[in-house]
Amino acid sequence: GQNIDQPTEMTATEGAIVQINCTYQTSGFNGLFWYQQHAGEAPTFLSYNVLDGLEEKGRFSSFLSRSKGYSYLLLKELQMKDSASYLCAPISGGYNKLIFGAGTRLAVHP
Amino acid sequence: GAVVSQHPSWVICKSGTSVKIECRSLDFQATTMFWYRQFPKQSLMLMATSNEGSKATYEQGVEKDKFLINHASLTLSTLTVTSAHPEDSSFYICSATRDNLNTEAFFGQGTRLTVV
Repeated sequence: GQNIDQPTEMTATEGAIVQINCTYQTSGFNGLFWYQQHAGEAPTFLSYNVLDGLEEKGRFSSFLSRSKGYSYLLLKELQMKDSASYLCAPISGGYNKLIFGAGTRLAVHP
Repeated sequence: GAVVSQHPSWVICKSGTSVKIECRSLDFQATTMFWYRQFPKQSLMLMATSNEGSKATYEQGVEKDKFLINHASLTLSTLTVTSAHPEDSSFYICSATRDNLNTEAFFGQGTRLTVV
């Protein structure tokens, strides 16, 4: 089975930095995705980690520690449009089967 | 990125009727597609994995006779909600991957189903 844990809600100020943590327990780990989802819309891809370390992509960075079953998503220079849910999704088994955590709802305030 | 089209975007149906939702990969062949369901303020729950030319693999607790999945070609998978009830009202969303090498999943725009 799988167990994915993320904070339910976070708030931050425009222009600030926020880190969203995710811990997971899966069988047959093949990598971890982060997706962003605005209410009523489809998730959009943010990042993918398969090896330990930090992956940086513009304002977004993602970190993975396989031995600790831990990942985080770092958002810099927050903008109002970053208010959304952020979904941690480790890949389990074959066929790129994504199992999503409950997601973290981030609210960015002026 | 690749495009996955889901149709319809929203549908209202009467209790007891069936509804079919289509998921198409427009510019790539998708060996595998996934169907998710999402209730308000909750995360996406995987319902089933759909493989072209074979039976779908359902997650525990998902009734395969109620949620019929057909993956007739490498670009089309359909989900039919049979004998729909109000509790089936939800956001249904599909995803597809180009291959089985842990690459990015592309999502359809989702279907908002309301059963009255």
